[in-house]
Amino acid sequence: AQKVTQAQTEISVVEKEDVTLDCVYETRDTTYYLFWYKQPPSGELVFLIRRNSFDEQNEISGRYSWNFQKSTSSFNFTITASQVVDSAVYFCALSDRSDYKLSFGAGTTVTVRA
Amino acid sequence: GAGVSQTPSNKVTEKGKYVELRCDPISGHTALYWYRQSLGQGPEFLIYFQGTGAADDSGLPNDRFFAVRPEGSVSTLKIQRTERGDSAVYLCASRRRGTLQETQYFGPGTRLLVL
Repeated sequence: AQKVTQAQTEISVVEKEDVTLDCVYETRDTTYYLFWYKQPPSGELVFLIRRNSFDEQNEISGRYSWNFQKSTSSFNFTITASQVVDSAVYFCALSDRSDYKLSFGAGTTVTVRA
Repeated sequence: GAGVSQTPSNKVTEKGKYVELRCDPISGHTALYWYRQSLGQGPEFLIYFQGTGAADDSGLPNDRFFAVRPEGSVSTLKIQRTERGDSAVYLCASRRRGTLQETQYFGPGTRLLVL
């Protein structure tokens, strides 16, 4: 069975602070995929990043960066110099490669205050 | 191009009634998924279609829930004898074959409220 744990329920920061969201996963598969999605107040899930299990390179996209560590089964997400528009619920998710159905964590609500 | 669309955006019904929720995937996407998201939780998988057939319906909570995709494009999630516990946001996602096929793209969801 696959499981994703996002231990942080809510994080509140002041604009321009950095914020790191933790994600720990469990799977028996050797090939799997990890994702982060953003859900703003409007409700639609927005895809942010996908990472394959065999690619442990960290990735940076603008103010977003991701740290994938297979040894600790973690896939953490950092927002640098946060902005009010970053306020949303962020979900970490895991899928295998048989049917790619997603197992989501419970989400972390990020509030960025001006 | 156009994303995944879902109708209606909101649905209010009474306990015991029948409802249908529609999903129109991204053009050319052969795989389609339904998820249910309760308040304050992450989405939970319901059913997966590859083409016209349900390849995995293990997430459907009981036999009151049923989904179809007769022509391999639009899908309808059907809920019979609705219960208050069915109140949630129902999300649809689609995925293409080939390069970058691992990623699902979500629609805006249908908010179902059962009174």
